[in-house]
Amino acid sequence: DAKTTQPTSMDCAEGRAANLPCNHSTISGNEYVYWYRQIHSQGPQYIIHGLKNNETNEMASLIITEDRKSSTLILPHATLRDTAVYYCIVRVGAAGNKLTFGGGTRVLVKP
Amino acid sequence: ETGVTQSPTHLIKTRGQQVTLRCSSQSGHNTVSWYQQALGQGPQFIFQYYREEENGRGNFPPRFSGLQFPNYSSELNVNALELDDSALYLCASRLAGTYNEQFFGPGTRLTVL
Repeated sequence: DAKTTQPTSMDCAEGRAANLPCNHSTISGNEYVYWYRQIHSQGPQYIIHGLKNNETNEMASLIITEDRKSSTLILPHATLRDTAVYYCIVRVGAAGNKLTFGGGTRVLVKP
Repeated sequence: ETGVTQSPTHLIKTRGQQVTLRCSSQSGHNTVSWYQQALGQGPQFIFQYYREEENGRGNFPPRFSGLQFPNYSSELNVNALELDDSALYLCASRLAGTYNEQFFGPGTRLTVL
């Protein structure tokens, strides 16, 4: 699975959009971009995934660049409950369960 | 709630002992994987089971072993515990062959003294 690079931490104001970048310059054509988050003392939670088109669900939007070498997770209206570590993971979609977690981005949403 | 449960929540063992951690997957999920998360780090993949057989393993020694049962439950066994085994152990389940998300349990916090 391709490696990803994320900022170590970032702050966000409550009610504002949070934009979380991820670099995955070695991604292969059959690899998807997945985002998970982990709130303190809980298991990771799936947020969204995509291959090359932008995706949106009730939690977030995923913007993938045309060359697929980077992506951005957007939390449209951050709340205090969005404070968590966010992990960007690249993997072949249906091939097994293995998720390779990096260090993630620690997001702190401030009032 | 993810529908994945783990027991116990916390556990304290001493070096050299053996431990069994349990996971109950979502009904219908035929694959389960286990992860180890040391403090301050991301989860590390241990292994996965599909239809009661191990079919993928990370960089963990054979003293880490598992079982998966037909009733969607599974176990992680660790023999000869070492201090570095202290971590949060997570299980995750999903329906194999799909692009669907994995559902993680809340984890078991293991402390080895």
